[in-house]
Amino acid sequence: SQQGEEDPQALSIQEGENATMNCSYKTSINNLQWYRQNSGRGLVHLILIRSNEREKHSGRLRVTLDTSKKSSSLLITASRAADTASYFCATVPFFSGGYNKLIFGAGTRLAVHP
Amino acid sequence: GAGVSQSPSNKVTEKGKDVELRCDPISGHTALYWYRQSLGQGLEFLIYFQGNSAPDKSGLPSDRFSAERTGGSVSTLTIQRTQQEDSAVYLCASSALFAGNTEAFFGQGTRLTVV
Repeated sequence: SQQGEEDPQALSIQEGENATMNCSYKTSINNLQWYRQNSGRGLVHLILIRSNEREKHSGRLRVTLDTSKKSSSLLITASRAADTASYFCATVPFFSGGYNKLIFGAGTRLAVHP
Repeated sequence: GAGVSQSPSNKVTEKGKDVELRCDPISGHTALYWYRQSLGQGLEFLIYFQGNSAPDKSGLPSDRFSAERTGGSVSTLTIQRTQQEDSAVYLCASSALFAGNTEAFFGQGTRLTVV
């Protein structure tokens, strides 16, 4: 069963605008990770935020985590056409046995138009 | 190797035939995962290996699916008597030992089409 649910399912914006994607999950977690996928093939790790962290930055990416609401958001600032991809949040459940059992949501399809 | 390598990249097979999908993880990564992704969907967890053992097989959808890992490295996912609903992209990932708080590295996947 899927742990995370992203919204929106699809997002269409113009270059230069900011893109915000949200993720909700159901159980306690060790960490939450965001991945990017181009053209339905391999995923690329973007950022990991631990359960005791509230915000992390990496370049134009900003991730927040609210464990009380079991939710996270990914903000991409000053978007570019090259940011067009699907974005997935994935959680490592707290009782996963100490390994990186990533549970993925269905993803947000982002389209950035020139 | 430099990254996770999967082969074949694409596989078309007839319904009822067996297929083998291969994953070569990043050297030194003891944790290996198989996921399945149907068109437009998220990733579905199949199985996890730590070394050569599989402590979590909970995601394998049926007994037609099996996986093994030898030498703590290469893994093979086998699907017997393939069905059309098995058509999907099969993704492999690896991560370091005690990877509770580290990223997973994914291969490019094998796109399986059962006709």
